[in-house]
Amino acid sequence: GESVGLHLPTLSVQEGDNSIINCAYSNSASDYFIWYKQESGKGPQFIIDIRSNMDKRQGQRVTVLLNKTVKHLSLQIAATQPGDSAVYFCAERDDKIIFGKGTRLHILP
Amino acid sequence: SAVISQKPSRDICQRGTSLTIQCQVDSQVTMMFWYRQQPGQSLTLIATANQGSEATYESGFVIDKFPISRPNLTFSTLTVSNMSPEDSSIYLCSVEDGDQPQHFGDGTRLSIL
Repeated sequence: GESVGLHLPTLSVQEGDNSIINCAYSNSASDYFIWYKQESGKGPQFIIDIRSNMDKRQGQRVTVLLNKTVKHLSLQIAATQPGDSAVYFCAERDDKIIFGKGTRLHILP
Repeated sequence: SAVISQKPSRDICQRGTSLTIQCQVDSQVTMMFWYRQQPGQSLTLIATANQGSEATYESGFVIDKFPISRPNLTFSTLTVSNMSPEDSSIYLCSVEDGDQPQHFGDGTRLSIL
């Protein structure tokens, strides 16, 4: 069946460095992809999205890259800050949204 | 984006009892959804709450266990019935309206003793 997964359950990054969180998806019919950030005790917070007719989209300090050939999605966070510590989920949508397993981002001082 | 409020934010319940979780949105929205997030896990869609009609349940979830109401475009409830320890999870309400991405409430943290 369709699934969305992340390559690493945890990622540790030095404060100030760039973070790259990866995600692989399997449903080639998915046309919309989203990254969410979930902090402890809170619900998932929308970060950025991208449609399948694009391969890159930039926000404030974040960039999402979509490679449809290999069904790969990534989230890049520039100049990682302590407030970026959270679990990050990618999600894909065909007729409904399916969430990946999540990557916990640790920021090292 | 819409502001989503869930009540209660957390609860501890006895097995065999039922709990109704409320989701209130500050504006009318087209779609409302209920998710479950088991400890340390990702989110799994339980059902889509349809206004004025029965909810649409995903595989593995049934109406007898998770009855859902959606009386209007700003409010929905999820009941977790006849609870067991396996139902200990975070239950999350989300909304989607038009082309806007899906937004989530902060969830209800449920522990069953």
